[in-house]
Amino acid sequence: KQEVTQIPAALSVPEGENLVLNCSFTDSAIYNLQWFRQDPGKGLTSLLLIQSSQREQTSGRLNASLDKSSGRSTLYIAASQPGDSATYLCAPDGGYQKVTFGTGTKLQVIP
Amino acid sequence: GAVVSQHPSWVICKSGTSVKIECRSLDFQATTMFWYRQFPKQSLMLMATSNEGSKATYEQGVEKDKFLINHASLTLSTLTVTSAHPEDSSFYICSAARGDGYTFGSGTRLTVV
Repeated sequence: KQEVTQIPAALSVPEGENLVLNCSFTDSAIYNLQWFRQDPGKGLTSLLLIQSSQREQTSGRLNASLDKSSGRSTLYIAASQPGDSATYLCAPDGGYQKVTFGTGTKLQVIP
Repeated sequence: GAVVSQHPSWVICKSGTSVKIECRSLDFQATTMFWYRQFPKQSLMLMATSNEGSKATYEQGVEKDKFLINHASLTLSTLTVTSAHPEDSSFYICSAARGDGYTFGSGTRLTVV
């Protein structure tokens, strides 16, 4: 059974800082890994999708890396802004219908 | 881009009543949809997988007679919480499989009083 751990569970940083969110998973047999953000009381927004054959993906100030063999992924957020405050979830996809969500990192960016 | 519309976004119901949540894929066909539940301060947990035209597959520990799933068309899946109780109060989210990932609905916050 896939287990996904995200560290830290919560993070509070001043605006403008660069930060890294970590995700580790126990089963490296994945097809892809997706990072999401979840705003309080709202649904999920997909941020980045990394295929198992890729090592990283970039979108704007976000960069996600994947080390499938070691079961790790990181989400790098550059020049953080208050609007980045949310809970970030990573979700490795072990194949058809087998997406496992991490416990999330709750980020607060202080103006 | 691919959009999944989920309704209602929030609902309050009395204990013992049933509540239906709808998820529609607006600009693509979703042969498979997934239903998740999230309790406060916990991660999303897969409840069931619904395939168009066939019975849903439920995860261990999820009561299929309580959480009725219908996926009658390629664009609509519904989750009905029957005889709801306060412990069913949670955040329910659906998602639809795309070729390159998943598209999620906006979620439904259910409060049973």
